[in-house]
Amino acid sequence: DAGVIQSPRHEVTEMGQEVTLRCKPISGHNSLFWYRQTMMRGLELLIYFNNNVPIDDSGMPEDRFSAKMPNASFSTLKIQPSEPRDSAVYFCASSLGRAAFFGQGTRLTVV
Amino acid sequence: TQLLEQSPQFLSIQEGENLTVYCNSSSVFSSLQWYRQEPGEGPVLLVTVVTGGEVKKLKRLTFQFGDARKDSSLHITAAQPGDTGLYLCAGIYNQGGKLIFGQGTELSVKP
Repeated sequence: DAGVIQSPRHEVTEMGQEVTLRCKPISGHNSLFWYRQTMMRGLELLIYFNNNVPIDDSGMPEDRFSAKMPNASFSTLKIQPSEPRDSAVYFCASSLGRAAFFGQGTRLTVV
Repeated sequence: TQLLEQSPQFLSIQEGENLTVYCNSSSVFSSLQWYRQEPGEGPVLLVTVVTGGEVKKLKRLTFQFGDARKDSSLHITAAQPGDTGLYLCAGIYNQGGKLIFGQGTELSVKP
């Protein structure tokens, strides 16, 4: 199995631009998580899906952030408009039970 | 708010020393996991514990789940430079599949 695949690995964008991060979970997994990691705040859960349905989005910072999971094999996290304080590493993880398997992350820099 | 408090935040030791990392919460976990993360990569699962009082061993690593399922510890015996990394505990609480992470312990083992 290829594991969780995230794209792009690195993204540099200007403030105000729209950013879309992509994730392909492990085939057969029924839960998908989006996390953001920074030095100051550690690994924060933004949103998680179960069977493609958003279950808890209480970690989404504000309305500029949105996430979708149109099918079991694809999810997106969109930031519009982006701000410098959104700079972080964004991880997608999938699970079929207790343990989560992570992608390599997308390092986002907003200048 | 469900919080996982991890300590210490930073640990720098010499090769051959022993160490213990702690993970505590005021809430009861249905399960708890320990992950290790290296720079530029996503967290990788080390172990999952489910039963109160459970002890699991992974070579020189010993994981313990508290009897009340509110705390856990990771003990490393005779640490080696290859153990260097960020150690994260994560828990699923009784309600739903929300996986929350502690702030992490940055371990540095010097030769």
